[in-house]
Amino acid sequence: ELKVEQNPLFLSMQEGKNYTIYCNYSTTSDRLYWYRQDPGKSLESLFVLLSNGAVKQEGRLMASLDTKARLSTLHITAAVHDLSATYFCAVDLSYNTDKLIFGTGTRLQVFP
Amino acid sequence: KAGVTQTPRYLIKTRGQQVTLSCSPISGHRSVSWYQQTPGQGLQFLFEYFSETQRNKGNFPGRFSGRQFSNSRSEMNVSTLELGDSALYLCASSLGRGSHMIGDTQYFGPGTRLTVL
Repeated sequence: ELKVEQNPLFLSMQEGKNYTIYCNYSTTSDRLYWYRQDPGKSLESLFVLLSNGAVKQEGRLMASLDTKARLSTLHITAAVHDLSATYFCAVDLSYNTDKLIFGTGTRLQVFP
Repeated sequence: KAGVTQTPRYLIKTRGQQVTLSCSPISGHRSVSWYQQTPGQGLQFLFEYFSETQRNKGNFPGRFSGRQFSNSRSEMNVSTLELGDSALYLCASSLGRGSHMIGDTQYFGPGTRLTVL
């Protein structure tokens, strides 16, 4: 059974600092997704990573995928308060279905 | 382009009752998936529908069921509600079969927050 683990679960960081969230998964998959969730809100799609070595960047966030290591990272550069949210990675197993297995989530809090 | 819509947004029921939640996908999307989110179990896959057919089902009891209509709208039903069914139920839509190859993703609705008393 596919398992997706994220670490850390909680992250409190100062504005301007850099940090990385890690997402490990247990079964081969070439597709990994990152979502953001604000308190009481739904999930917002951040990145779709479709192949080994894929790297995508949007603003202060950069995501990468290493399918051989079964590892994805979400790097935060020069954090700002607006990035405070819970970040989820998710993996699916098949090209033909939309069954996502989500990680535990990383709750990020950015303080001044 | 309108996003995924879910109704109702909030629902309060008592144990033993049943509930039906509705989801309207983004126009042109044929795949609809349902997820349950709770503080203890996180985000868990319930089921997925594509062209009115259930393609996948998660590890939930038979009290949880769903269906999809010809216009891709979907409903999920929970019968004989239990306290543990209290959760945020999220619906997501995507283009469907093979859409991942063009970088598509699942787009989530605002959710229905179900409270079982």
